[in-house]
Amino acid sequence: QVQLVESGGGVVQPGRSLRLSCAASGYSFSDYGMHWVRQAPGKGLEWVSVISDGGRNRYYADSVKGRFTISRDISKNTLYLQMNSLRVEDTAVYYCVKDYRVDSTSGILEYWGQGTLVTVSS
Amino acid sequence: EIVLTQSPATLSLSPGERATLSCRASQSVTNYLAWYQQKPGQAPKLLIYDAFNRATGIPARFSGSGSGTDFTLIISSLEPEDSAVYYCQQRGNWPPITFGQGTRLEIK
Repeated sequence: QVQLVESGGGVVQPGRSLRLSCAASGYSFSDYGMHWVRQAPGKGLEWVSVISDGGRNRYYADSVKGRFTISRDISKNTLYLQMNSLRVEDTAVYYCVKDYRVDSTSGILEYWGQGTLVTVSS
Repeated sequence: EIVLTQSPATLSLSPGERATLSCRASQSVTNYLAWYQQKPGQAPKLLIYDAFNRATGIPARFSGSGSGTDFTLIISSLEPEDSAVYYCQQRGNWPPITFGQGTRLEIK
């Protein structure tokens, strides 16, 4: 079965960097687009970024554009989110999400990891 | 960016009753609208995609309808485990993907 396991969260000061990882298993990782979605404590869901199955296409929410970078390592079945210049408002649980459609990026968020908490605080 | 507005914010119903949750988009998303269920302390779970298609393993008591700007999620006969926050999400014009603010469903 599909498993997505995030790691790398923690407490970090404003302006610093953090890299999140998501280990995928149970399916052909290279065939599906992948997303990051976040949820601030007690708040709703906010889409952060997407990377296409081949890694060529990447898109970001305006709130993180220029600060966050999404990437994937097919050989390790792992998705990453490099987060630079972190702000207090980036505090959230970050979810790794598998897209629904094979060989494309549909925007249907099929399987979600359990999330990793990032806290940005001085 | 397409804004999704969900109503009501909170719904309190009894087991066996029917729940009707609404989602309105600020502009047409065709039928590219999904619904997710999130229980406390858990990740969201895909229920419905493209307005009316149930995701794998989702019980038939969950159904979706609508097109354009107005969408509905119906839970036909509530069970205690349906207590959760429900989010709608559009992919009609993305990026960015956007979500509604959620409807909290409480089972009395």
